[in-house]
Amino acid sequence: GQSLEQPSEVTAVEGAIVQINCTYQTSGFYGLSWYQQHDGGAPTFLSYNALDGLEETGRFSSFLSRSDSYGYLLLQELQMKDSASYFCAVRFPSSGGSYIPTFGRGTSLIVHP
Amino acid sequence: DTGVSQNPRHKITKRGQNVTFRCDPISEHNRLYWYRQTLGQGPEFLTYFQNEAQLEKSRLLSDRFSAERPKGSFSTLEIQRTEQGDSAMYLCASSIPSGMGTGELFFGEGSRLTVL
Repeated sequence: GQSLEQPSEVTAVEGAIVQINCTYQTSGFYGLSWYQQHDGGAPTFLSYNALDGLEETGRFSSFLSRSDSYGYLLLQELQMKDSASYFCAVRFPSSGGSYIPTFGRGTSLIVHP
Repeated sequence: DTGVSQNPRHKITKRGQNVTFRCDPISEHNRLYWYRQTLGQGPEFLTYFQNEAQLEKSRLLSDRFSAERPKGSFSTLEIQRTEQGDSAMYLCASSIPSGMGTGELFFGEGSRLTVL
């Protein structure tokens, strides 16, 4: 089957570093993405990893290990505005031959002062 | 760039009524997706269009749900004979062909459905 697992909640203090893990099971794979969603808002794209390794975009970095079916999102120098839900997403091959972005259940990040 | 637009933003209806949501994707995006999201959950895939062709439908999508994308531009999602379990946020997203990049989805603000 196809599934993604990520922690339901993570808490941290302002200025700290936090890592949100994501593991996936799939018979095919076409890249791991991360999205951020604030309460009442739309999900917005943060990063994408197609190959193993670390991708850095400002305070956010994303890592992928395809052999371990594992990735993580690293948020540095946390700010209060980073409090949001974070979703990992993988494009799984569907029965119709398309690669459909499938989302995890999300990790609620709470940043404390 | 006006982004992905969805309307109505909120819809309250009585059980058994039909509702229709509209999505206007980013104009140059040929791929369009509908997702459903409930509180504390991630977006759940419903259906996918490439241009005007509906290429994928989730097995979770009952016969009461139908989607169209005439002429490959805007899309509509109709729910017939609504049930209380249909209450959710219905999200539309569009993207360019994945072979050209990250497959980034651009989401609209969503249409929140409440079935009484």
